[in-house]
Amino acid sequence: DAGITQSPRHKVTETGTPVTLRCHQTENHRYMYWYRQDPGHGLRLIHYSYGVKDTDKGEVSDGYSVSRSKTEDFLLTLESATSSQTSVYFCAISEGGANGYTFGSGTRLTVV
Amino acid sequence: KQEVTQIPAALSVPEGENLVLNCSFTDSAIYNLQWFRQDPGKGLTSLLLIQSSQREQTSGRLNASLDKSSGRSTLYIAASQPGDSATYLCAVRGAAGANNLFFGTGTRLTVIP
Repeated sequence: DAGITQSPRHKVTETGTPVTLRCHQTENHRYMYWYRQDPGHGLRLIHYSYGVKDTDKGEVSDGYSVSRSKTEDFLLTLESATSSQTSVYFCAISEGGANGYTFGSGTRLTVV
Repeated sequence: KQEVTQIPAALSVPEGENLVLNCSFTDSAIYNLQWFRQDPGKGLTSLLLIQSSQREQTSGRLNASLDKSSGRSTLYIAASQPGDSATYLCAVRGAAGANNLFFGTGTRLTVIP
């Protein structure tokens, strides 16, 4: 997706290990979001950021932390991965106001 | 909490047919509603964004309507093509200033050549 990239695209990790996913944007949008997508559930918000160093929790934030030290980068960290965190993770950006969201291509994370 | 429902969960139609996808939401106090398309193993592509003050939006063969008072939106696809096969997601944003989209679980569309 133009202007927003996620890395890695795929990752397999072991239970108990830390994992960091990266979202990078070139649109200079103020807002950035992390969602997870699981079968039978709509996408659910994990954390979001409304500016550099300004973040807040979403509805499924337990076990996750985030950081935003630059406008363009938003990191999602699983401090100690669990099997329940196996999912597809999407980053999104928005200018705010009445504007819509733009999503990245996703990271498929498997915790074994 | 806002609940978003999409019916049907799956739909199969012959090529050329016009079709309607449905989205309903429980809290009518929304800021806007966005329709996305998701291809297997891919990210979400925005199709249409409707503000709460609007009744409909059109893009090519797609038309989305919004009836906020009844908590419903429809996505109309005209003259369907095999390339339209994908999962279509509806997402609702709450009141102004809200920082979350509430998603339905999608309608998986298959257009048969």
